[in-house]
Amino acid sequence: GAVVSQHPSRVICKSGTSVKIECRSLDFQATTMFWYRQFPKKSLMLMATSNEGSKATYEQGVEKDKFLINHASLTLSTLTVTSAHPEDSSFYICSARPLASDTNTGELFFGEGSRLTVL
Amino acid sequence: QKEVEQNSGPLSVPEGAIASLNCTYSDRGSQSFFWYRQYSGKSPELIMFIYSNGDKEDGRFTAQLNKASQYVSLLIRDSQPSDSATYLCAVFASGGFKTIFGAGTRLFVKA
Repeated sequence: GAVVSQHPSRVICKSGTSVKIECRSLDFQATTMFWYRQFPKKSLMLMATSNEGSKATYEQGVEKDKFLINHASLTLSTLTVTSAHPEDSSFYICSARPLASDTNTGELFFGEGSRLTVL
Repeated sequence: QKEVEQNSGPLSVPEGAIASLNCTYSDRGSQSFFWYRQYSGKSPELIMFIYSNGDKEDGRFTAQLNKASQYVSLLIRDSQPSDSATYLCAVFASGGFKTIFGAGTRLFVKA
């Protein structure tokens, strides 16, 4: 199956710093990637849809200046948590939809997730 | 009304039994249906997908789809303790371009 790599898997940072998380599709191209966050024992919450070559689409209630998304190529999307605070501590997960199935199946492949802890 | 609904559980079954996980969805335009498994602290992994009404079997897993009732289910035969996880139902409608996830059902398989 398609592989999505997410890095780093764990990061601990001080309050006020910025953290960048990378999401790469290793063996396929993806015009669309999705970013989620998940609190312990809670469901996935879609934060934004990352579109290659254009601005990301954010879900209601998600601050676009707080969570910067860049999708510069067909295989890489990044999420930057700016001026992180303890309440931003969470499990962040990306997913990608293969280019070939962009318009038909909706199948998603997930990265391994990144656990952010803000002290 | 939530777009994709699942019973949060926990659903507890003994080892070797059949686990039945259910999901309903609200968008009649939905065309693709997925079941993901998520272990604690890990990201979701795709188990099965189904597009057509009826049953689809893959090993110990069977997905069932009834578009008229807007209902999709996952059966796990011969349940194993390693099947203990949260199972996410996901629905895709091409018009919306997003895959919508249910909140997940927690399954415990008791040895």
